Amino acid sequence: DVVMTQTPPSLSVAIGQSVSISCKSSQSLVASDKNTYLNWLLQSPGRSPKRLIYQVSKLDSGVPDRFSGSGSEKDFTLKISRVEAEDLGVYYCLQGTHLPWTFGGGTKLELK
Amino acid sequence: EVQLVESGGGLVKPGSSLKLSCVASGFTFSSYGMHWIRQAPKKGLEWIALIYYDSSNKYYADSVKGRFTISRDNSKNTLYLEMNSLRSEDTAMYYCAKSVATNWGQGVMVTVSS
Repeated sequence: DVVMTQTPPSLSVAIGQSVSISCKSSQSLVASDKNTYLNWLLQSPGRSPKRLIYQVSKLDSGVPDRFSGSGSEKDFTLKISRVEAEDLGVYYCLQGTHLPWTFGGGTKLELK
Repeated sequence: EVQLVESGGGLVKPGSSLKLSCVASGFTFSSYGMHWIRQAPKKGLEWIALIYYDSSNKYYADSVKGRFTISRDNSKNTLYLEMNSLRSEDTAMYYCAKSVATNWGQGVMVTVSS
């Protein structure tokens, strides 16, 4: 199985700050169709997860452009510019290239 | 608007069976692969099963293989997860998800305890 190593496990931020979350995979996430199925999800407190970014850098509809994703092969980053209160929760990376799908361990974003 | 609504959870004893349902609306259910994903209390996310849009292929995590069965009824826009030989470690919130995690249901809680 592909191991997704996500860091840091937690982040304490002030509103308006920018933050980055790293996700590294144990294998390349480039699929046979040349796409890279690396997703970022946010689970707000008491809610089900919501996908924010798919295929490394494509924003889902309605996701503010304060969010951006980058990376390739085995090394990926989620950046949030100008954190807002609604951004707080646990972020997960998810690889959908190889079965079984695997998730990173999560990064809890909290207010400083 | 895409909606996924899970049901069928509850408190059961070890060794019991349970069948979860996920009713889909707001999209052409029969055109999409569907997944079950679970989250143990205070833990991260674990993918457990995938079914293709036409039920032609099904895949399972090793942790549930041989005990859980994913199925779907496209005429009813419904996804199922039949869970047998339940164990305490199956205690979790169970989510259904569309395609590449595009949309998730609100989840249904399954508690396995004597």
